[in-house]
Amino acid sequence: KNQVEQSPQSLIILEGKNCTLQCNYTVSPFSNLRWYKQDTGRGPVSLTIMTFSENTKSNGRYTATLDADTKQSSLHITASQLSDSASYICVVSLLYNTDKLIFGTGTRLQVFP
Amino acid sequence: EAGVAQSPRYKIIEKRQSVAFWCNPISGHATLYWYQQILGQGPKLLIQFQNNGVVDDSQLPKDRFSAERLKGVDSTLKIQPAKLEDSAVYLCASSAGRTSYEQYFGPGTRLTVT
Repeated sequence: KNQVEQSPQSLIILEGKNCTLQCNYTVSPFSNLRWYKQDTGRGPVSLTIMTFSENTKSNGRYTATLDADTKQSSLHITASQLSDSASYICVVSLLYNTDKLIFGTGTRLQVFP
Repeated sequence: EAGVAQSPRYKIIEKRQSVAFWCNPISGHATLYWYQQILGQGPKLLIQFQNNGVVDDSQLPKDRFSAERLKGVDSTLKIQPAKLEDSAVYLCASSAGRTSYEQYFGPGTRLTVT
């Protein structure tokens, strides 16, 4: 069964600290993996997209890694800011049908001053 | 470039009533998606349009949900009659299709069924 699992379910950190969110997937055949940020009351916004051949991609303070062999990905947030408080969703798409997205349930991050 | 527009942003109805949501995708985007996102879960695809044709509606509860994209641009999603378990955020997304992996999401409509 195609599944995407994320951990932790929720996370609280202090402003300025770093954190790492995890994603494990069993999607096959794999096309690409995306990380989305979803602010409360808003739609998801793409942070990174990585294909099979990419093992790291950065977007400002966000760095995503991908290990296609172990089917694991992580999202590392550096020097967190209050505006990083949001849900982070890991999404995998299928080869031959890149429109078909398999969503994780997300990690709820709260950054406190 | 303007993003995906949705209305209304919030809607409260009683069970058994009907409701409709509207979505205007990014200009030129051929593919349009409706997702249902229940609190604490990831979005679930309800229906996907390519221009004005349906590509995938396998998870759409067709006894109560319907959607159309008559002119291949904006789209409406209707629920009739609504049930308590339909309380969720309904997200619309669009993509350029074969030329891009990227799906762009609208702000969503939060539906509460009482």
